[in-house]
Amino acid sequence: DGGITQSPKYLFRKEGQNVTLSCEQNLNHDAMYWYRQDPGQGLRLIYYSQIVNDFQKGDIAEGYSVSREKKESFPLTVTSAQKNPTAFYLCASSTQSSYNEQFFGPGTRLTVL
Amino acid sequence: AQSVSQHNHHVILSEAASLELGCNYSYGGTVNLFWYVQYPGQHLQLLLKYFSGDPLVKGIKGFEAEFIKSKFSFNLRKPSVQWSDTAEYFCAVNEVGTGGFKTIFGAGTRLFVKA
Repeated sequence: DGGITQSPKYLFRKEGQNVTLSCEQNLNHDAMYWYRQDPGQGLRLIYYSQIVNDFQKGDIAEGYSVSREKKESFPLTVTSAQKNPTAFYLCASSTQSSYNEQFFGPGTRLTVL
Repeated sequence: AQSVSQHNHHVILSEAASLELGCNYSYGGTVNLFWYVQYPGQHLQLLLKYFSGDPLVKGIKGFEAEFIKSKFSFNLRKPSVQWSDTAEYFCAVNEVGTGGFKTIFGAGTRLFVKA
């Protein structure tokens, strides 16, 4: 069954703690993305990676970090430097062609207490 | 900065009413255009896409969209909505440039269909 998995579905953390969100895909896609979804703001790109061992900042990268050591995995770390981390985080993947759509995971809802 | 505008943030319709959701983008170069849908409790998924050819594209569940290049628009339509169309709809644009492309999403439109 091909797709994208994100874990956990819900995550709670205390202020000042770093937390890592998992994203795995078995679609053999080269490109992977992390978005943040807030009500009324759509999806805003945090980081993206077009190939293993390479990634670029998106529009709102401050306070976040990523790694891409394997093709199928693209974990996102929300650091304590992120001023407003409570949000819904979506991971996606695609081929490198601009013609093709992105495939999305189920998302992780992070709440900072 | 390049942007994608969705004109309606919330739309409420009765079943069988017609639907049109607006989407405009600001990029003047080559674009590929998408509508995604997020049903309650489900993953964001593709509704339809346009990259070349006939500017009127058909997607799943009776949806269609028309690309009007001169108006930088890609509006989504459905002649008769159903209660099951209640969802959030996102317009997205792949702006194609040298070295690759960048995807920009609109803010989304929440559609509620009354039974």
